Order: sequence, then structure tokens, then C-alpha cells
Amino acid sequence: EPEVTQTPSHQVTQMGQEVILRCVPISNHLYFYWYRQILGQKVEFLVSFYNNEISEKSEIFDDQFSVERPDGSNFTLKIRSTKLEDSAMYFCASIAKPGRLNTEAFFGQGTRLTVV
Amino acid sequence: AQSVTQPDIHITVSEGASLELRCNYSYGATPYLFWYVQSPGQGLQLLLKYFSGDTLVQGIKGFEAEFKRSQSSFNLRKPSVHWSDAAEYFCAVAAIKAAGNKLTFGGGTRVLVKP
Repeated sequence: EPEVTQTPSHQVTQMGQEVILRCVPISNHLYFYWYRQILGQKVEFLVSFYNNEISEKSEIFDDQFSVERPDGSNFTLKIRSTKLEDSAMYFCASIAKPGRLNTEAFFGQGTRLTVV
Repeated sequence: AQSVTQPDIHITVSEGASLELRCNYSYGATPYLFWYVQSPGQGLQLLLKYFSGDTLVQGIKGFEAEFKRSQSSFNLRKPSVHWSDAAEYFCAVAAIKAAGNKLTFGGGTRVLVKP
């Protein structure tokens, strides 16, 4: 069964450092997402991405965040200068084609980011 | 804006007993509803989804959910839980639009299964 893969599974970084979280969505999917889950809190939408541009972003997704699809397979989330409050589990997801059909989002296993 | 409420933060159930997890949503149009499960250290796995039609939907692992428009609810049920069902369960509603189907999640319900 096709799956979304994320690397690394756990990343520890010092405050102020840049991190890049990587995702390989399912190959024929067209829409990509990042969500995050701060420990003990709900899963929150960060950003959606389609056709090489951001289609929607939340208020959490400020100038410190960026996304990119550098090649035909990878989808990355960059945090330029990490803060303690960026510590969370980050999930990548993909959808084949949104709309009234195929609305199932497939999630990766997540990357646990710890900022120290 | 859509929102999802899961009133129960924790539920403890005995193995073999029935389980019901509550979910209430707020959405201005016809909701597209989902239940996901997250096992410890794992990602989010889709249990079932509701788009339209029959209000009782069947999912994987023996789970089912019933959509009740009048109550704005989408409760998840399982007749007999197994120890492997211990996990966190998230209800979510999707905003369906051309820009992408953003999911809004509830706070989750952690299920503990007693032997």
C-alpha cells in the first residue's frame, strides 16, 4: 500500500537554528499538507500546497516557515529560526485530488521536533 | 469556520466491552467527517469517513460511526474492544474547496483498555 514517508523521525535542534523536515508524499497525489501537534494538544493545520505554490495557510504559518517541493518527490517544511514553542510533532499529508471525491488525507508517521 | 469538539479527553474501557467516542462538529455546509486513530509513536491512520448517503458508516478494525445532522454529531463505536485499540482517536471535519481539503481536528480522546 502506498504511504507518505517522513524523515527524520526525531530531530533535536538548538533554539535559533534552521531545520528542514522532509516528506515524500504518495506519488500520484497532487495536494500536500503540513500539520503539527504540540504535545497534549490537538492536531493543527499549518499549510496546504498545490501546483508549486501555497494554496492556504494558517495564522501559525508565519514568515519563519516555508514549504517547497524541490523535486518531483520531496515536500519540505523549513523553519528558519526555531523557537522553543516550535517543539511539536509535525505531520505531512497528501491527497490525490481534493473536492467532493478522494478527500481522504494520507498522513506520514510524523517528525518529532524538539527545540532546546 | 469549522470546529470539532471531543468532550471526553480520556476513556477507560475493559477488554471486550463496547466503546463509544463522542464527536460534535460545527460547519456551515454539509460536513465531510473523519475519524483517525493514532497509536503510540505512530502517525494518523484513517478509520472511516462520511461524505453522504447512509448515515451509518463502517470502517476498519471493526469500528463504525453514525452521522446525526440534528445533533451535529459523528460518534464512533466499537461493539467489543481489543487491547490493541488502546490509542488516541481524533475526529475531524474537512472544508471541501478547490484550494484543498483542510482538516480541522478535535482535541482527541485517549482510550485505555483494561485487561
